[in-house]
Amino acid sequence: ILNVEQSPQSLHVQEGDSTNFTCSFPSSNFYALHWYRWETAKSPEALFVMTLNGDEKKKGRISATLNTKEGYSYLYIKGSQPEDSATYLCAFALSAGNNRKLIWGLGTSLAVNP
Amino acid sequence: KAGVTQTPRYLIKTRGQQVTLSCSPISGHRSVSWYQQTPGQGLQFLFEYFSETQRNKGNFPGRFSGRQFSNSRSEMNVSTLELGDSALYLCASSLTATGRGASAPTVYNEQFFGPGTRLTVL
Repeated sequence: ILNVEQSPQSLHVQEGDSTNFTCSFPSSNFYALHWYRWETAKSPEALFVMTLNGDEKKKGRISATLNTKEGYSYLYIKGSQPEDSATYLCAFALSAGNNRKLIWGLGTSLAVNP
Repeated sequence: KAGVTQTPRYLIKTRGQQVTLSCSPISGHRSVSWYQQTPGQGLQFLFEYFSETQRNKGNFPGRFSGRQFSNSRSEMNVSTLELGDSALYLCASSLTATGRGASAPTVYNEQFFGPGTRLTVL
């Protein structure tokens, strides 16, 4: 059974704090790793798609790193703001013949207190 | 550019009935994927359609089916509804992987999600 694990499950931080979450996935047959932000009452929105070991991506105050050999990705938020409050999902795609699909973690729920 | 739209947004059905959900992708996106989201389960992949063909399928029973039309709009059908089918159903569209040909898997590209259809089965 292929699992994508995200930790922590939830996080409460103060405005201005920096924080990070972890996404763990099977290290074999790696194909791609996605990060999404899902705000309440909205649709999931893509943050990053990462495909190469050592990839680092950045969008504003949010950045992500990827280690495919050990099977993890970190998402960092620098100087958290209340508008960063959301659930952050990662999804892993493995290379398995023609049936390539995304396997999703349960997410990390972030609450940023003003 | 208009986003992904899904109709209806909310639906209440009873056990044994069937339901059809609709998804219109972003213009130019040929891939449409469907997901089921239930509390504690996360997003579960149902299937992906590309150019009117089902290209990938998740581990759901045959009661769950779909199709895609020539304009890339997609429908999902669930027959003989069960209580456990109550969920948020999301569809997502994406482009094919750039430079990798029409048959390349779309998991290289970000998914653009619709607002979802909240299905309640009583």
